[in-house]
Amino acid sequence: DIQMTQSPSTLSASVGDRVTITCRASESIRGWLAWYRQTPGRAPKLLISDVSNLQSGVPSRFSGSASGTDFTLTISSLQPDDFATYYCQQYSTYPWTFGQGTKVEIK
Amino acid sequence: EVRLLESGGGFVQPGGSLILSCAASGFAFNNYAMSWVRQAPGKGLEWVSVISGSGGNTNYADSVKGRFTISRDNFNSIVSLEMNDLRVDDTAIYYCAKHPYFGGNSYFDDWGQGILVTVSS
Repeated sequence: DIQMTQSPSTLSASVGDRVTITCRASESIRGWLAWYRQTPGRAPKLLISDVSNLQSGVPSRFSGSASGTDFTLTISSLQPDDFATYYCQQYSTYPWTFGQGTKVEIK
Repeated sequence: EVRLLESGGGFVQPGGSLILSCAASGFAFNNYAMSWVRQAPGKGLEWVSVISGSGGNTNYADSVKGRFTISRDNFNSIVSLEMNDLRVDDTAIYYCAKHPYFGGNSYFDDWGQGILVTVSS
């Protein structure tokens, strides 16, 4: 199975901060990577597909990029709604796998 | 507006069975693959199973292969997950999730609110 390793596991930040979350794949997944945001008690919500394709309705402060098997989610200016847990997911190869999650907390 | 509404969860003893259903609306159901994704209490996300738009192709996580069966009723816009020989570690919130395409590898662009399955003696 392809392992997806996110870092950090927890991140403390303030409103307005620039935040970067990294996801490393254990082997090549080409561009088949998505990012989701999940708040407590709610279902995950798709933010970005295919590494950098921002979903309709998702604010432009979110962006995604890749370098080899390293993938990055950047939030340019953290907003109150962004305090949540973020997951990456590869859909290159079955079984599709998620990273373990990065919790963004209020500093 | 896409709506996915799960039902059928609850409490079951180890070795027991449950059938989850997901009623879909707001889109042309038969044109899209559907998946089940689960989340154990306080843990991360785990993909469970996928079915293509026609129902002709399915795939499963190794952890459920041989015990769970995914199916769909395109006339009534329902996707189901039959779960047999349930284990304690199957305890989770189960989400129904829609794909943006008929089949093939893809992400999940809409999710249901989830339903809790508890396996315990």
